[in-house]
Order: sequence, then structure tokens, then C-alpha cells
Amino acid sequence: NAGVTQTPKFQVLKTGQSMTLQCAQDMNHEYMSWYRQDPGMGLRLIHYSVGAGITDQGEVPNGYNVSRSTTEDFPLRLLSAAPSQTSVYFCASSYSPQGLQETQYFGPGTRLLVL
Amino acid sequence: AQSVAQPEDQVNVAEGNPLTVKCTYSVSGNPYLFWYVQYPNRGLQFLLKYITGDNLVKGSYGFEAEFNKSQTSFHLKKPSALVSDSALYFCAVRDIQTGANNLFFGTGTRLTVIP
Repeated sequence: NAGVTQTPKFQVLKTGQSMTLQCAQDMNHEYMSWYRQDPGMGLRLIHYSVGAGITDQGEVPNGYNVSRSTTEDFPLRLLSAAPSQTSVYFCASSYSPQGLQETQYFGPGTRLLVL
Repeated sequence: AQSVAQPEDQVNVAEGNPLTVKCTYSVSGNPYLFWYVQYPNRGLQFLLKYITGDNLVKGSYGFEAEFNKSQTSFHLKKPSALVSDSALYFCAVRDIQTGANNLFFGTGTRLTVIP
């Protein structure tokens, strides 16, 4: 298994540009999520999905869209990039969307710089 | 509301000495607590979790954590630190309000093990 994969590893955008961060997992996990990591703030949840066709907002959803058309993929779209979206983005997944004992597995991250 | 706090941004310890990374939590109900480690330019790796049962939880790479309900703490410990343990450590608590497998993270503690 490749686990959780993310592309690209690094991206530079200009303010106002749009882009999609890709996330895929090959573990047949129902639950997937996106976090952003900022210095001194830990990781904050952007959006999550408990299964194909189901998504919901997390703590910091503004400026981001997601969709979950398949179990394997959970792309994150930046509609109009802003410097405040400069961050490191992590995708995570777990087998059960609601199991209390479930461990989340994280991808390697995408480092995004918005100029 | 659920949250975790990591009161120390930085912890320095000499190689071979015991280490402790502190975490306190605030939840309404039973806490489900996790520790993750992040090595430079890598994603988060799961170390251990407390769900219920024994207050001393053993995890990967020789780490353990002590759950203390009266002090609402979940400190990460290791009897003898290695230089390779130098990394960023995150405590997290499971979201029990939405019913989904989301995590709330602390701000992280950078551990430096001095040779």
C-alpha cells in the first residue's frame, strides 16, 4: 500500500489564482480530511468527508472547496488564493468515519506559498 | 468544546535522560487522546492513543503516555531519550460532538535531544 499520497509537494501561487491539491489513499478508508498547519497554531481542520458523496466543513473552511466522488480521492480546491492561505496542507484518512478508536493516517503534506 | 493545550513550545533534554512532553485536555465527556510526531519535512506519524482502560499507554519507538483524569493531563514520556527523537510532537483529542472522526490538535512541542 502507498498509504496516503499528496501532490504536489510544493507550489507557488500568485494572489487570485486557483489550484487543486490532490489527495489519494489506497486503504479503502471511509473517512478523509484536510488540515492546515501554521506555526504556533498546530493543525486545524478545513474540511472532512465520512464517505463518498458526503463532505462537511471543519474549523477553517473559508476559501476552500472539496468534493468526494470516489472513496480513494479527496481533492482540496483553492478558489482564489490569498497570502493568508500560505501554509502546509495535510490530508489524512481513517478506516471508520466514526469509530472512537480510529487512528488517522497522514500524507506527507503540500507546502503552499501564495505571493 | 474540546481542546488540548501544550504548554511548552520547546523542550530540551540530554541524550540518555528521561523526557516528558506535556499535554492537558478539556472535554465534556470521555476523552479520546492521541500523540503524533512530525519529523522535518514529513507528515505526522501516529505514536499512541488513549481510549479507555490502563492509564499508562505504550506506543511506538519506546514512547508511553500517562493519562491522569484528575489533572486532565496526557503527558508523553520516554525513559531514555535518543538524538533521533528530536522532532515536533502534537497532542490531539477526538471530536465527540460532530460524531465524525475529527481531531483537535495542540500547538505542538519541539523536542530537541542534545548529544
